[in-house]
Amino acid sequence: AQTVTQSQPEMSVQEAETVTLSCTYDTSESDYYLFWYKQPPSRQMILVIRQEAYKQQNATENRFSVNFQKAAKSFSLKISDSQLGDAAMYFCAYSGSARQLTFGSGTQLTVLP
Amino acid sequence: NAGVTQTPKFRVLKTGQSMTLLCAQDMNHEYMYWYRQDPGMGLRLIHYSVGEGTTAKGEVPDGYNVSRLKKQNFLLGLESAAPSQTSVYFCASSYSGGSETQYFGPGTRLLVL
Repeated sequence: AQTVTQSQPEMSVQEAETVTLSCTYDTSESDYYLFWYKQPPSRQMILVIRQEAYKQQNATENRFSVNFQKAAKSFSLKISDSQLGDAAMYFCAYSGSARQLTFGSGTQLTVLP
Repeated sequence: NAGVTQTPKFRVLKTGQSMTLLCAQDMNHEYMYWYRQDPGMGLRLIHYSVGEGTTAKGEVPDGYNVSRLKKQNFLLGLESAAPSQTSVYFCASSYSGGSETQYFGPGTRLLVL
């Protein structure tokens, strides 16, 4: 079974600074997808970014980008120019041949004004 | 376009009582999912459906049943609630599994006394 590990339960960043959230996963599959979801205090789960494993190019969505290291099974999220609205719980998730999402335990991000 | 809606938003049950959580989506998605979220943990898949009339077990299916009689609705049932089922329940839907983005409902907070 696939596992997703987020080793940073909590992180903080100063407003306008950059922060990187870590995620590692374990799989024997070669074709899969990785996601970062954001959960603000409202509890709504919101997709931030996704990465196809077969693509070498790292995905980018505005201030959000990933560092995908397939050999190392690492998928970190970089948030640039952090804003107060970025404060949330961030979940890394994996989807493989079973077509189901497996989530990590989350990283609580605090943005300091 | 309401997206994914969940009913109710909050419920308190006594041990042994039964209830049904309703999930509805208006995006014509084939796949629907039920997750539970417990403190310090990511979302865990309870059951899912790949189309009308189909259901399948996820990671933590014990104590729950589901039905997908209509494409737009996915019901989660607790026949005899237990305190261990105190959690926040999320429904999600996607056009297909795998790479497709899952769209989440706002969650249902369930407290079993």
